Amino acid sequence: AQKITQTQPGMFVQEKEAVTLDCTYDTSDPSYGLFWYKQPSSGEMIFLIYQGSYDQQNATEGRYSLNFQKARKSANLVISASQLGDSAMYFCAMKGDTGRRALTFGSGTRLQVQP
Amino acid sequence: NAGVTQTPKFQVLKTGQSMTLQCAQDMNHEYMSWYRQDPGMGLRLIHYSVGAGITDQGEVPNGYNVSRSTTEDFPLRLLSAAPSQTSVYFCASSYHSGGTEKLFFGSGTQLSVL
Repeated sequence: AQKITQTQPGMFVQEKEAVTLDCTYDTSDPSYGLFWYKQPSSGEMIFLIYQGSYDQQNATEGRYSLNFQKARKSANLVISASQLGDSAMYFCAMKGDTGRRALTFGSGTRLQVQP
Repeated sequence: NAGVTQTPKFQVLKTGQSMTLQCAQDMNHEYMSWYRQDPGMGLRLIHYSVGAGITDQGEVPNGYNVSRSTTEDFPLRLLSAAPSQTSVYFCASSYHSGGTEKLFFGSGTQLSVL
């Protein structure tokens, strides 16, 4: 079985500073993928970044980067130069090496960016 | 592009009523899935489909049925609504290409069962 753990229920960050959202995972699959999604107060789920377990380099997408440490089973999201619009819930998720293309989600971290 | 379209956006049911949540995607994705999100929690998988005619159960399938007669549509049926099914429901479709996986969500359906 797969499990995602997000230990930070809430985080605060000052505008323009960087913030790291923690995510650890557990799986017995040899191949897997890790995702981060943003959920603003409007409720939609917005894809941010993806990291495959065999990717040699950490994934980056604009101001988002994924700090992937395979031995520690961690996949932390780093947001650089925080903006007020980054205030939202952030979910870490993973897909295992099965055919079902479905994700296991963590419980989320609520990020609040302060001016 | 429409992407993943869910209807309705809001629904109120009485206990015991049945209804169908609609989901359609226009991206020709083989893989579709339904999730529910309860307050303060992440999404949990209800049912999924790896292609037309093929469905399977996820983490929390009880009380829900699905079918996949076409690639585009993946409706979720509540057979006899219960207050425990009050939740926000998300449909998603996904593809895998070039070592990257992308999963696209619909905008969600907020369901209240009284």
